[in-house]
Amino acid sequence: DGGITQSPKYLFRKEGQNVTLSCEQNLNHDAMYWYRQDPGQGLRLIYYSQIVNDFQKGDIAEGYSVSREKKESFPLTVTSAQKNPTAFYLCAGGPQGGEASEQFFGPGTRLTVL
Amino acid sequence: KQEVTQIPAALSVPEGENLVLNCSFTDSAIYNLQWFRQDPGKGLTSLLLIQSSQREQTSGRLNASLDKSSGRSTLYIAASQPGDSATYLCAVSRSGSRLTFGEGTQLTVNP
Repeated sequence: DGGITQSPKYLFRKEGQNVTLSCEQNLNHDAMYWYRQDPGQGLRLIYYSQIVNDFQKGDIAEGYSVSREKKESFPLTVTSAQKNPTAFYLCAGGPQGGEASEQFFGPGTRLTVL
Repeated sequence: KQEVTQIPAALSVPEGENLVLNCSFTDSAIYNLQWFRQDPGKGLTSLLLIQSSQREQTSGRLNASLDKSSGRSTLYIAASQPGDSATYLCAVSRSGSRLTFGEGTQLTVNP
């Protein structure tokens, strides 16, 4: 998994609640990413960060928020504004850029809205 | 906008067969292309990374090729085994960081 850990493995949310998914890495990756995967589909980028205290919106950022206060940590908050949050969430890390920048993924968190 | 397509969506083969998975992309200005494997309910495992200046990469029974001019990559799996059963995803990077993914090919290798 390239040293990427995610918790919890399963998460249940009630309507109107905010929840936070944890992502930690121990390989000194500069860049970290959050993706969402829906059944039978590829991954879609939510947010990414290439340096501490800076992050950029991906393709589907609405209803999500992130922070990058430490290099090792990149938590994702799913807010009540996200209308269809049930999905599999994957965190990844890797070098900041360049042709040889390979991304490594964590084991994922499955979020279900009750 | 970059679009990545994988064909076929699903493939079932008998054990021992050699097989090819296909990936195509619309914008040839890429930094690299990665092939991943995903088992049900799990994260992604990186299999091979091909830099834009390379034409192929090999790891064990896996060989991936890249033709930037035609916007195509193939993943060749030799002597397939039941343990190879999984979903295979390809992804391209344009800026060297952000990845755009295909929807994957679900492979089943039957004993």
